[in-house]
Amino acid sequence: AQKVTQAQTEISVVEKEDVTLDCVYETRDTTYYLFWYKQPPSGELVFLIRRNSFDEQNEISGRYSWNFQKSTSSFNFTITASQVVDSAVYFCALTRDSTGTASKLTFGTGTRLQVTL
Amino acid sequence: DTAVSQTPKYLVTQMGNDKSIKCEQNLGHDTMYWYKQDSKKFLKIMFSYNNKELIINETVPNRFSPKSPDKAHLNLHINSLELGDSAVYFCASSQIGNQPQHFGDGTRLSIL
Repeated sequence: AQKVTQAQTEISVVEKEDVTLDCVYETRDTTYYLFWYKQPPSGELVFLIRRNSFDEQNEISGRYSWNFQKSTSSFNFTITASQVVDSAVYFCALTRDSTGTASKLTFGTGTRLQVTL
Repeated sequence: DTAVSQTPKYLVTQMGNDKSIKCEQNLGHDTMYWYKQDSKKFLKIMFSYNNKELIINETVPNRFSPKSPDKAHLNLHINSLELGDSAVYFCASSQIGNQPQHFGDGTRLSIL
């Protein structure tokens, strides 16, 4: 069975601070994919990143960066110089590597990030 | 242009009624999904279809019946609505299994 744990329920930071959202996963699969999604107050789910279990290189996209550590089964997400617009619930998710036509996402419980002025 | 669109955005109805939520995607994806997000924000998959064929069917009451008339549409029909069905229902689509799933804006279902 697959499981994703986001231990931080809620984080509050002041604008311009850096913040890291933790994600720890469990899977018996040797190949799998990890994702991060953002759910702003308006409610939609926005895809941020997909990472293959074979690729442990860290990734940076603007103020966002992701640290994948297979040894600790973690896929953490850092926002540098946070902004009020970053306020949202962030979900980490896991799916097995499927050559099939569909694969279900197993989501963590989400971390609510509040960025204030 | 909206990639994955769901209608209606809000649905308020009484216990025992039957209702449908429609979903359409214009991304050219072959696979579509329904997820349920409960009041604690927990997201869980319900169904997945690939090119009109049911691929994933999680443990969902048979009051919920998905229907896919073509690969661009996946509708969700719910019979005999119960209080516990109150949630936000998200439709999503992807190219194949491990590709990113793109979500609609959600339908907030409230049962009175």
